Amino acid sequence: DAKTTQPPSMDCAEGRAANLPCNHSTISGNEYVYWYRQIHSQGPQYIIHGLKNNETNEMASLIITEDRKSSTLILPHATLRDTAVYYCIVSGGGADGLTFGKGTHLIIQP
Amino acid sequence: DSGVTQTPKHLITATGQRVTLRCSPRSGDLSVYWYQQSLDQGLQFLIQYYNGEERAKGNILERFSAQQFPDLHSELNLSSLELGDSALYFCASSVISYNSPLHFGNGTRLTVT
Repeated sequence: DAKTTQPPSMDCAEGRAANLPCNHSTISGNEYVYWYRQIHSQGPQYIIHGLKNNETNEMASLIITEDRKSSTLILPHATLRDTAVYYCIVSGGGADGLTFGKGTHLIIQP
Repeated sequence: DSGVTQTPKHLITATGQRVTLRCSPRSGDLSVYWYQQSLDQGLQFLIQYYNGEERAKGNILERFSAQQFPDLHSELNLSSLELGDSALYFCASSVISYNSPLHFGNGTRLTVT
């Protein structure tokens, strides 16, 4: 699986959009971008994934650049409950497990 | 609620002992994954089972073993426990399509004293 690079931490004001970047310059054509988050020692929570088109669900939007070398996870109206570690993972499929890096610790400020 | 159930939630045991962690996957999911998360290592993939068969192995120690039963629940057995085995152990499940996401349980916190 391709390696990803994320900032170790970010702050965002409550009610604003939180934009979390991820670089994955070595991504290959069949690899998807997945986002998960982990709220203080709970199990990681699946947020969204995509291949090359932008994706949106009830939790977030995923914007993938045209060259697929980077992506941004957008939480449109951040709340205090969105404070968590966010993991960006690139993988060719769920078959062999996902490799989690250190992620971005997002802190939502009141 | 992810639909993945792990028991027990907490386990405290002594060095040298053996424990079994249990995982029930989401209804319809055939694949089960085990992960270990310790303070200094982050989330480490241990092993994956698909429909009762071992499918992939990660950083799993020889003292650890797992199996998936015909009803698809899975157990992770940890033996000859050491202090360093203290960690959160997560189970995840997925439908086995190419890009299906994993859904995680809330883990078992193991403390070895």
